[in-house]
Amino acid sequence: DAGITQSPRHKVTETGTPVTLRCHQTENHRYMYWYRQDPGHGLRLIHYSYGVKDTDKGEVSDGYSVSRSKTEDFLLTLESATSSQTSVYFCANGQNSNQPQHFGDGTRLSIL
Amino acid sequence: QKEVEQNSGPLSVPEGAIASLNCTYSDRGSQSFFWYRQYSGKSPELIMSIYSNGDKEDGRFTAQLNKASQYVSLLIRDSQPSDSATYLCAVRSPRDSNYQLIWGAGTKLIIKP
Repeated sequence: DAGITQSPRHKVTETGTPVTLRCHQTENHRYMYWYRQDPGHGLRLIHYSYGVKDTDKGEVSDGYSVSRSKTEDFLLTLESATSSQTSVYFCANGQNSNQPQHFGDGTRLSIL
Repeated sequence: QKEVEQNSGPLSVPEGAIASLNCTYSDRGSQSFFWYRQYSGKSPELIMSIYSNGDKEDGRFTAQLNKASQYVSLLIRDSQPSDSATYLCAVRSPRDSNYQLIWGAGTKLIIKP
């Protein structure tokens, strides 16, 4: 059991509003990741973290920011949501960069 | 050219037969390879990891890695309807300093009773 909880599980919001998604882990894993998954694209990395306050961009980071103030929490923020950010968002964690990643249940985000 | 390629399927296999899923990758320096299963509307779940050439077996699942030919495959023996899912291949590439996973788009597998 990966021990990852994502919240909220579903959200509908309007274009231009800020949105924050939360990922909480019960393990003490160093690495945490945010992905989005869209039909035809598979999983795409948005941002990841390799320690408290240590984050880096993934391949689709534009329009997203992250913060990790504690080992157990990794937040993803859409400063001004756009319809193109409608997607399913997954958080994952890993003990280190060479270990498998384990996923949370996902957040389905719809931006109207 | 995509860095990790999978046939999108759907791959239809009769119940009880062997399902064979394939994945090719472009970076010869890749070191770690993973197979995930994803049911519709659910999150990816790790099935197998493989790090060296050859076969690795776990129950009905066998992962095969051939680094010279740059492919990794997943065999599912005695396929069951519950194996129907999308299977994702992920490869750890040294292309950046933090060795992030590169994901294939997945192969949809359908097991027909």
